Order: sequence, then structure tokens, then C-alpha cells
Amino acid sequence: EAGVAQSPRYKIIEKRQSVAFWCNPISGHATLYWYQQILGQGPKLLIQFQNNGVVDDSQLPKDRFSAERLKGVDSTLKIQPAKLEDSAVYLCASSPVEGEQFFGPGTRLTVL
Amino acid sequence: KQEVTQIPAALSVPEGENLVLNCSFTDSAIYNLQWFRQDPGKGLTSLLLIQSSQREQTSGRLNASLDKSSGRSTLYIAASQPGDSATYLCAVPQSGGSYIPTFGRGTSLIVHP
Repeated sequence: EAGVAQSPRYKIIEKRQSVAFWCNPISGHATLYWYQQILGQGPKLLIQFQNNGVVDDSQLPKDRFSAERLKGVDSTLKIQPAKLEDSAVYLCASSPVEGEQFFGPGTRLTVL
Repeated sequence: KQEVTQIPAALSVPEGENLVLNCSFTDSAIYNLQWFRQDPGKGLTSLLLIQSSQREQTSGRLNASLDKSSGRSTLYIAASQPGDSATYLCAVPQSGGSYIPTFGRGTSLIVHP
């Protein structure tokens, strides 16, 4: 069974630039999560989708972050414009509804 | 709002020791708890998922227990090996009944030969 795919694996940008991350979840998983993980901390949930709908985005900085899940499958997370404090690893996970989460390898973002 | 605490923050042990990692949470109205392992620079790997109706789950040398009433879970690692070196994280749903996961900061484990 294929796992959660993410791209790119690494990205370096200058502050005020834009960046987008892509996630392809495990086939059949209704729930998709985007997390931000800063070095030395646990992952912080940014947004959770169930099929096409948003379950929770209370911790998403909506003035600069946006996310969508097309046709209830793939998802993209965008940052525009990026700030220095956005440097982190962005993790995507998927699960059956209320089930076990499976994570992708993550995207390491460095903002200079 | 659910808060998750993991103790100890870091642990360094010689190979062969049996280990106990702790996870505590403030809201006991959960319906599952998941333990993960994270290697440096990698994503999270699921180790064990315990449903609220269960008291423990086992996989190989790993055993996780859950005590909802006291808001605690423990991950027991038997006969530790250098390959077990990683950060161990637990995740529980936020309070309020919906499954919005909250993670602890993790326990960083080093097992030296």
C-alpha cells in the first residue's frame, strides 16, 4: 500500500516570497491533516479536512496561509508572503475518519 | 483545550534496558490515543493506536497502556536497542468530542551500545 506522498522535500525561499506544498494521501482516507513542526516541538495542527470540507482551521494564520483539498483527494498548502518564523517542517497526514494517522515524509522550509 | 505533556523530555540509556515513556493529558474524554516515532529529519511513524475501550496494545517489544480516568498513557520498550533511538510522540484528540489531534513535545531517546 502506497504511503502519504509530499513534495517538495526541501524548499529555501526569501522572506515575502510565496511557496506551495503538495500532499497526496493514502487512497480511501477521508481525513487529511496539515501540521507545522518547529524544531524541538511536537507537530501543531494547521488545518484538518474531511473529504472536501474543513473540520478545523483554528490555528491556521489565515492572513498568509491557505489550503485546499481538490475533489477530496490531493491537497495543497500555500504561504504568501512567507515570514522568517515560518521556517519549519510541514507534515501531511491522512487517516480514515477518527482512525489511525499516517504521515508523509514532510517538507523542510527555510525562510531567509 | 487539551494539553499533552510528555516526561521525560530526553533519555539516554545503555542498550538492553527496559524503558517507560510517559504521556499525560488534561481532558480524559478521549476516544483514542496514538504513539509515534520520529527519526531525525523524517516524518512520523505510527507505533500503536489505543482505542478508549482498550487498556493496552502490544507490538513486538512495545507495549502501550491507557488509563483514561487519570489522563495517562505509558509506552514501555523492552530490551532497548540502538535502533530505538528516536523521538517518541503521543497524540490525543482535543477536548470537545471532535477528533482534532494534539501532540506532546516528545521524548528524545538515545540508546547507546
